[in-house]
Amino acid sequence: NAGVTQTPKFRVLKTGQSMTLLCAQDMNHEYMYWYRQDPGMGLRLIHYSVGEGTTAKGEVPDGYNVSRLKKQNFLLGLESAAPSQTSVYFCASSYSGGSNSNEQFFGPGTRLTVL
Amino acid sequence: QQPVQSPQAVILREGEDAVINCSSSKALYSVHWYRQKHGEAPVFLMILLKGGEQKGHDKISASFNEKKQQSSLYLTASQLSYSGTYFCGTETSNYGQNFVFGPGTRLSVLP
Repeated sequence: NAGVTQTPKFRVLKTGQSMTLLCAQDMNHEYMYWYRQDPGMGLRLIHYSVGEGTTAKGEVPDGYNVSRLKKQNFLLGLESAAPSQTSVYFCASSYSGGSNSNEQFFGPGTRLTVL
Repeated sequence: QQPVQSPQAVILREGEDAVINCSSSKALYSVHWYRQKHGEAPVFLMILLKGGEQKGHDKISASFNEKKQQSSLYLTASQLSYSGTYFCGTETSNYGQNFVFGPGTRLSVLP
């Protein structure tokens, strides 16, 4: 099993450009999350999904959109990138949101730089 | 609302013990602990549920005081491999839709 994978690993954008980050998991998890992590800071939740076809806003959703068309994939989009979106983006998944078994498994991260 | 972690950073010698604390202003349903090594993704350590159920491994354990809305992570006889940043994550319900990470505690274990 590959676990949680993210594509791409690195990306440099110019201000105003758009891009999509792809997250895929092969563990049949219901919940998926997108976080951003800035230097010296913790992880802040951008958007999350509790199942195929559903998405919800997290703590810092502005400037991002997401889609969960297939259970195994969770896409994060930046429509018009800004330098403030320079960050490391982590995707995570968990079996369910309930606390019985909602350990979050993280992908390796995508390092995004916006010039 | 983000939980508070203390200390912000700690330096240990190999074999020493450490305690990392996590507190919230809200009533908690569960507390998670994760460790992140530099340049890597966070890795799950354990979860503590309201009511006392606990999971853990090796020489790392944790407690959860529901009344005080606090959790503590105990690292015993620290090893070099324990170095990294430790994050607590909190939930205020069992629906998993309000998970929030703390700012992290940087732990450095020296030989």
